[in-house]
Amino acid sequence: DGGITQSPKYLFRKEGQNVTLSCEQNLNHDAMYWYRQDPGQGLRLIYYSQIVNDFQKGDIAEGYSVSREKKESFPLTVTSAQKNPTAFYLCASSPPGPDTQYFGPGTRLTVL
Amino acid sequence: GENVEQHPSTLSVQEGDSAVIKCTYSDSASNYFPWYKQELGKRPQLIIDIRSNVGEKKDQRIAVTLNKTAKHFSLHITETQPEDSAVYFCAATLIKAAGNKLTFGGGTRVLVKP
Repeated sequence: DGGITQSPKYLFRKEGQNVTLSCEQNLNHDAMYWYRQDPGQGLRLIYYSQIVNDFQKGDIAEGYSVSREKKESFPLTVTSAQKNPTAFYLCASSPPGPDTQYFGPGTRLTVL
Repeated sequence: GENVEQHPSTLSVQEGDSAVIKCTYSDSASNYFPWYKQELGKRPQLIIDIRSNVGEKKDQRIAVTLNKTAKHFSLHITETQPEDSAVYFCAATLIKAAGNKLTFGGGTRVLVKP
């Protein structure tokens, strides 16, 4: 999982602003994922992408958008439509076939 | 879709004792069950996983058991140490050729008291 990077580590947003969280991997993994984690809670899937130029909604996609123009990159945009975006956001990737997901270090987003 | 329930939500054990965390899943087609450990403010780290063709797997002080009939799996930590204190998550998925969509349990906060 050392090959997955997320930036920034901390992000502050004013209400009504869109912000984009970066996720990059150099592991040559096909699939990438975005999760949201609220304090003391588990991980909930926002979006996932199994291949370049294709992605699917997860369980809590409303108020979020993604793109997958390159295999290495899967940025997440938190839009102003997301009413309660303060959370810890984790990106993950997995190689082809029967293998697990490996997580990036996360971005902590706070709405001011 | 898949639903994973995890118990207990918190677990306090004395150093040297064993800890057991249990998860149940709803989709009988699920065939891959990883366990992650997450320290405060850090990323989840895979500690052990098991596939549906295996009933038990061990790695030093950690073991996982799977009962496909009952649709539950458990994490066992023996001889607990203070560094085992963390939040542990179970997950389940049906592995496909092009990636997998993990469903996580709600997590168990483990505290090992010295």
